[in-house]
Amino acid sequence: SQQGEEDPQALSIQEGENATMNCSYKTSINNLQWYRQNSGRGLVHLILIRSNEREKHSGRLRVTLDTSKKSSSLLITASRAADTASYFCATDLTGGGNKLTFGTGTQLKVEL
Amino acid sequence: GAVVSQHPSWVICKSGTSVKIECRSLDFQATTMFWYRQFPKQSLMLMATSNEGSKATYEQGVEKDKFLINHASLTLSTLTVTSAHPEDSSFYICSEMGLGETQYFGPGTRLLVL
Repeated sequence: SQQGEEDPQALSIQEGENATMNCSYKTSINNLQWYRQNSGRGLVHLILIRSNEREKHSGRLRVTLDTSKKSSSLLITASRAADTASYFCATDLTGGGNKLTFGTGTQLKVEL
Repeated sequence: GAVVSQHPSWVICKSGTSVKIECRSLDFQATTMFWYRQFPKQSLMLMATSNEGSKATYEQGVEKDKFLINHASLTLSTLTVTSAHPEDSSFYICSEMGLGETQYFGPGTRLLVL
């Protein structure tokens, strides 16, 4: 399976703390994307990082990509209760025709 | 980003019936749409790629005769689950390719087959 692995599977933190999620994948990619999913809802696109990029920021989000290790991380700074959701990485594989392969996901719970 | 809608948002049906799920692109002409399935507490698995005006491309292990996909216009793709069984109960999500490489997802359709 080409599915990526994410860790941790679940993460519980206090509001104001930072949350870090990691994603590993297996083959060459065009880009890697992070999505958020609230319980029972659709996915919201957070950030896309291309294979020739190493770091990207968007608001409180910071994504890194290490293609030599085939891994990426998503950092959410100063977390809020509203950040509680599942977070998925998805890889656009080289030669894959824009199809996305999703990771296993991290369930984040931010407590007040 | 692009806006994608799905209808219905949830459906309950009896085993053996067929269910049609619509995926509409509200503000973008989508030549390519994707259909995913998500079982409870699991990740999304790509089922098929829907191309406007041509046959869909199915992922390995997905029965094309069971999951019929029609993409007759640039704004509408449909997924029909034929002769649904309880094991087909799942969350079905479509997406469209927006500008660049980003996919925009619909809100999903929850199917429960009794």
